[in-house]
Amino acid sequence: DTEVTQTPKHLVMGMTNKKSLKCEQHMGHRAMYWYKQKAKKPPELMFVYSYEKLSINESVPSRFSPECPNSSLLNLHLHALQPEDSALYLCASSQEGRGNQPQHFGDGTRLSIL
Amino acid sequence: GQNIDQPTEMTATEGAIVQINCTYQTSGFNGLFWYQQHAGEAPTFLSYNVLDGLEEKGRFSSFLSRSKGYSYLLLKELQMKDSASYLCAVRDPYSSASKIIFGSGTRLSIRP
Repeated sequence: DTEVTQTPKHLVMGMTNKKSLKCEQHMGHRAMYWYKQKAKKPPELMFVYSYEKLSINESVPSRFSPECPNSSLLNLHLHALQPEDSALYLCASSQEGRGNQPQHFGDGTRLSIL
Repeated sequence: GQNIDQPTEMTATEGAIVQINCTYQTSGFNGLFWYQQHAGEAPTFLSYNVLDGLEEKGRFSSFLSRSKGYSYLLLKELQMKDSASYLCAVRDPYSSASKIIFGSGTRLSIRP
């Protein structure tokens, strides 16, 4: 079990649906991340939140919309996704401002777009 | 820019030792991580190096040479459960302290 909890574990949606991925951590970390991972590839950074503010957006299409309601929660809102968006979506968190602190990952949400 | 190279796949025998290499070319350096990822699971942190030398943690050790842009992960007394992908990642020195860049990963298979 990881200390970063993601729900749901699996999600199947059509291209016209709207859904949200959720992530929660209670380690007091002030940096939170969304990654996308395709099979046999490394995680690709999508967004970084630092102290609940968006600090990095890696040119992610607007059909992905992140939200950080508070220091423990991170959401990823999905709308009008494409089949190529099918992937494992990983959330991570870390202490902010301390360069030697690792990121802690959740188990991910496996997303399939029909 | 940043470029990180690792072998794509490696195979080793249970009980043996394996070394997974990682080379990086970055315009700055601010630390290197190793992560382990079993298929379908979350990456888990193994080690962090920012100074030259060897860091040892039980069966796993990680080495760094900043002048050579080189690191390796050494796994001893291999067990079947060590079959996984091993990801080398460097901290991006030009963004916030939080951003790391992953190499493509090395898939390690352990045979009995």
